[in-house]
Amino acid sequence: EAQVTQNPRYLITVTGKKLTVTCSQNMNHEYMSWYRQDPGLGLRQIYYSMNVEVTDKGDVPEGYKVSRKEKRNFPLILESPSPNQTSLYFCASTPAGTSYNEQFFGPGTRLTVL
Amino acid sequence: AQSVAQPEDQVNVAEGNPLTVKCTYSVSGNPYLFWYVQYPNRGLQFLLKYITGDNLVKGSYGFEAEFNKSQTSFHLKKPSALVSDSALYFCAVRDGATGGFKTIFGAGTRLFVKA
Repeated sequence: EAQVTQNPRYLITVTGKKLTVTCSQNMNHEYMSWYRQDPGLGLRQIYYSMNVEVTDKGDVPEGYKVSRKEKRNFPLILESPSPNQTSLYFCASTPAGTSYNEQFFGPGTRLTVL
Repeated sequence: AQSVAQPEDQVNVAEGNPLTVKCTYSVSGNPYLFWYVQYPNRGLQFLLKYITGDNLVKGSYGFEAEFNKSQTSFHLKKPSALVSDSALYFCAVRDGATGGFKTIFGAGTRLFVKA
């Protein structure tokens, strides 16, 4: 089944404790992206990647890191989480053939930073 | 700069009645417009998109959307709402002129369909 998977689905952590949220897709998509969803703000892009070893900042990159060492994986790293990073996070992938291809989303990771 | 506005936080409609979820956009080039739906505890699912051509676009689950260039709108519609349509709906836009993948999402509109 074609899908985007994220782990963990739920995470409660404390301020300053490094964490990684994994994202993997099995559709051989070139473009991957991380978003955070906050009430009243919709989805805001954190980072994106056009292909392996090619990443760039989105609209809200502060406090986050990413890497793209393999085409299928795009982990999101919070080196020192803070309470304002409490949010619902989504990973998405898109085939890069044309810029009007739709995105495929993972199920989401709900993060709470205490 | 790209932007998307969904002027209604919530839309309430009775089952069987037509529904409309509004979206207006701003891009410097030609817009690629998308609608996604989010059910509780799920990721976003693609519903439909407008690229070019016919202004009325048909998508999944009986939804359609009408592109209006002069009003810069892309409203989502369905002739007869179902209780199962209750969900959070997002409008999104890409600037087709740049050829890039950056997507701007609206804040979302929660649809409640009452039996």
